[in-house]
Amino acid sequence: QQQVKQSPQSLIVQKGGISIINCAYENTAFDYFPWYQQFPGKGPALLIAIRPDVSEKKEGRFTISFNKSAKQFSLHIMDSQPGDSATYFCAARRGVGSARQLTFGSGTQLTVLP
Amino acid sequence: EADIYQTPRYLVIGTGKKITLECSQTMGHDKMYWYQQDPGMELHLIHYSYGVNSTEKGDLSSESTVSRIRTEHFPLTLESARPSHTSQYLCASIPASNTEAFFGQGTRLTVV
Repeated sequence: QQQVKQSPQSLIVQKGGISIINCAYENTAFDYFPWYQQFPGKGPALLIAIRPDVSEKKEGRFTISFNKSAKQFSLHIMDSQPGDSATYFCAARRGVGSARQLTFGSGTQLTVLP
Repeated sequence: EADIYQTPRYLVIGTGKKITLECSQTMGHDKMYWYQQDPGMELHLIHYSYGVNSTEKGDLSSESTVSRIRTEHFPLTLESARPSHTSQYLCASIPASNTEAFFGQGTRLTVV
């Protein structure tokens, strides 16, 4: 059972456009929602993260929008650049104390055309 | 840049061979994880550890085994490799704050 559903699987955007990736979850025990960026041949790296008590977080061209009632969160990449081409994973953290662990979405392969 | 290292980066090995994928981190993190990444990108948790002498199986069933004798070292072993084990294996560690997972660069394993 996939606890974090991510869409779309792939996304092609023109340079300067807005890239939007969506994630939805069911488990209300999740308390931290990070996004990871993975370039080919590299491991994922943390891009930006949000907690459920905040509806939006912005870092440069990257924004997370969080809708707690709908149990959805999304990543927006403004003014998308070819260098943003990568695979993006949303994730959700659950559990308490030492039982905490991350659950990842299925990934979105973003291609930004020059 | 994260101080978590995986070796080898690439490995091609014959069926039936025993292999160990190495993962080491110098950040003193107690929590370490192994993920298997499908060709279609999805990450599946196969093993995790919350500290020395602690290992647990993850969400995806795996024929591999892990050990955690030292905090900084979390090797994954396949006793008898099969073509179905061909995949990318990613190691990660998480600090006590649980805020960020640090990933290694991965080991791409091909079993022929």
